[in-house]
Formats: sequence, C-alpha cells, structure tokens
Amino acid sequence: AQTVTQSQPEMSVQEAETVTLSCTYDTSESDYYLFWYKQPPSRQMILVIRQEAYKQQNATENRFSVNFQKAAKSFSLKISDSQLGDAAMYFCAYRSANSNYQLIWGAGTKLIIKP
Amino acid sequence: KAGVTQTPRYLIKTRGQQVTLSCSPISGHRSVSWYQQTPGQGLQFLFEYFSETQRNKGNFPGRFSGRQFSNSRSEMNVSTLELGDSALYLCASSYYSGGGKTDTQYFGPGTRLTVL
Repeated sequence: AQTVTQSQPEMSVQEAETVTLSCTYDTSESDYYLFWYKQPPSRQMILVIRQEAYKQQNATENRFSVNFQKAAKSFSLKISDSQLGDAAMYFCAYRSANSNYQLIWGAGTKLIIKP
Repeated sequence: KAGVTQTPRYLIKTRGQQVTLSCSPISGHRSVSWYQQTPGQGLQFLFEYFSETQRNKGNFPGRFSGRQFSNSRSEMNVSTLELGDSALYLCASSYYSGGGKTDTQYFGPGTRLTVL
C-alpha cells in the first residue's frame, strides 16, 4: 500500500523569504502523480502544483516549485517570496496513474507567515 | 467555469439520525470523489463515482453510501450517525481523460457535519 509522510507538522517563515516543505512517499508503482494542495482557514482545498512521475523536469507554478526525486521518493515544495496569503495547511498527496484514483494524503504541514 | 459546489455547508444532527450531502461537479467532469477530514484521522478516502458507478471504495462501514446521477451530481448518505462521524466532508471532481483514467481532482468548499 502507498503511504505519504510529511514530517514537519508546522513551519514558519518571514514574509518575502523562501521556505521548503518536505514530503516523502512509498510506492511500488512507477507511474503516478504527486500533488501539493493548500487548505487555508476557509477549509477550501486548493491545488498548488502537480507532478507527473514520468516527467523528470520539476513542476513550477509562479512562486511555487517542487524538487521531485523519484529514486529517493521525495517531493518537496518550495515557496519563494512568501506572502501572508500563503499561510495555510499544506498537504502532499499521491495518486496512482493506472488504477484506484483515490488521493492518498500526508498529515499536512501548517505554514505560518511572519510579517 | 463554476467550481465544485457542495450543499449544505454546515449541518448539525443528533446521534442515530441520517444525513445526505450533495456535490455538484465542475461542468464536464464525470468523476466525483468523497473524502472525510477529521483532526484525528486526517484525510481519508470514502468513495469515487464515475458515470453513475462506484469505482472505488475506502475503508468505511456500510453506513456510508453514495450515488451519482446522470448529470454527474453526487450525493453521499450516512445513516445511524455516530459522534465520530463529525467531520468536514470534501467532494472533488475530475475530468475524464480517456482509457478509464481521470485527471486532477478539484475540491468543493466542504460540508461541516456536527453530530451531537
């Protein structure tokens, strides 16, 4: 069975600085997707970024980028130029590409932005 | 396009009652998945519906059920409510990308269920 681990329950960063959130996963599959979702206090789950396992290039979305290390089964999220609106719970999630399309979630990291 | 909508947003029930939650997916999305979020257990998969058929089911008791209609709208039902069913219930929809596969899941705002 696949598992996702986020080892940092809480992280804090100064506004305008850079922060990296860690995620590791375990799977025997070779084809899968990885996601970072953000859940602000409103509780709406918002997609931040997506990575396809067969793509070696790391995904980027504006100030958000990932460091995908397939062999190490590591998928970290880097947030550059942190803004107050980035404060939220961040969840790492795994999904098989071939069957059973449920998302398997990490426990989440609470990101605090210091003004 | 309008996003995923869920109704109601908040619900208070008592033990033993039953509840029905509704989810309307993004237009054109044929897959709907349901998740339960609690402080203790985190996010857990309930079930996924695709073209009116349940494709996958998580490890929840039979009191949790769902269905999907021909317009892709989905409902989930919880019978004989227990205190432990208090949670945020999230619905997500995704686009069918062919070959039985579905794309990224986009979430609704959730329904907050409180069982007293």
